Amino acid sequence: RKEVEQDPGPFNVPEGATVAFNCTYSNSASQSFFWYRQDCRKEPKLLMSVYSSGNEDGRFTAQLNRASQYISLLIRDSKLSDSATYLCVVNGGGSYIPTFGRGTSLIVHP
Amino acid sequence: DAGVTQSPTHLIKTRGQQVTLRCSPKSGHDTVSWYQQALGQGPQFIFQYYEEEERQRGNFPDRFSGHQFPNYSSELNVNALLLGDSALYLCASRPTGTGELFFGEGSRLTVL
Repeated sequence: RKEVEQDPGPFNVPEGATVAFNCTYSNSASQSFFWYRQDCRKEPKLLMSVYSSGNEDGRFTAQLNRASQYISLLIRDSKLSDSATYLCVVNGGGSYIPTFGRGTSLIVHP
Repeated sequence: DAGVTQSPTHLIKTRGQQVTLRCSPKSGHDTVSWYQQALGQGPQFIFQYYEEEERQRGNFPDRFSGHQFPNYSSELNVNALLLGDSALYLCASRPTGTGELFFGEGSRLTVL
């Protein structure tokens, strides 16, 4: 089993749609969680951290389920500009060694 | 305030050669890490430097080595290049004790 698993997609959705991505992780000692966005042939950029209580940033909502060891990202009212690859990142223990999922590709079409 | 800068942006090498990639961290960041990203995959952690020492290492062979300088900049060296080393090499920096990574645009290495 991979340490961090994501459905690679692609998720192909129309503008205005709501889309959700899940990411599972295997290390129960993982302590911090993030979603990064990576545009084609660009570097990853932090989208949002994921907190135990769940957190929201505009159209984006992230949630953590420690019992089931997964995190999720919900995007509401999708925009064309949301088209990108979304990377799930899990940090294990106190060493801050990040483990990346392979990413989920999102394509938002008119 | 300059972000993370990497050089060169693109390079082509042949099998068996050696390559050095360079990274300057974001101002105020003292921890630098390197990643290899193959096409269609997520970044894979190579190693992390803090206070000029390698602190953590991922599952990469000894052909991959690095260095951090007193000004926090860093180098990644890869010896005896293989075709499979072709990838985007990303450098990221962060202040120690925090989790958010700031990435450079990467160095795209092609090994022929």
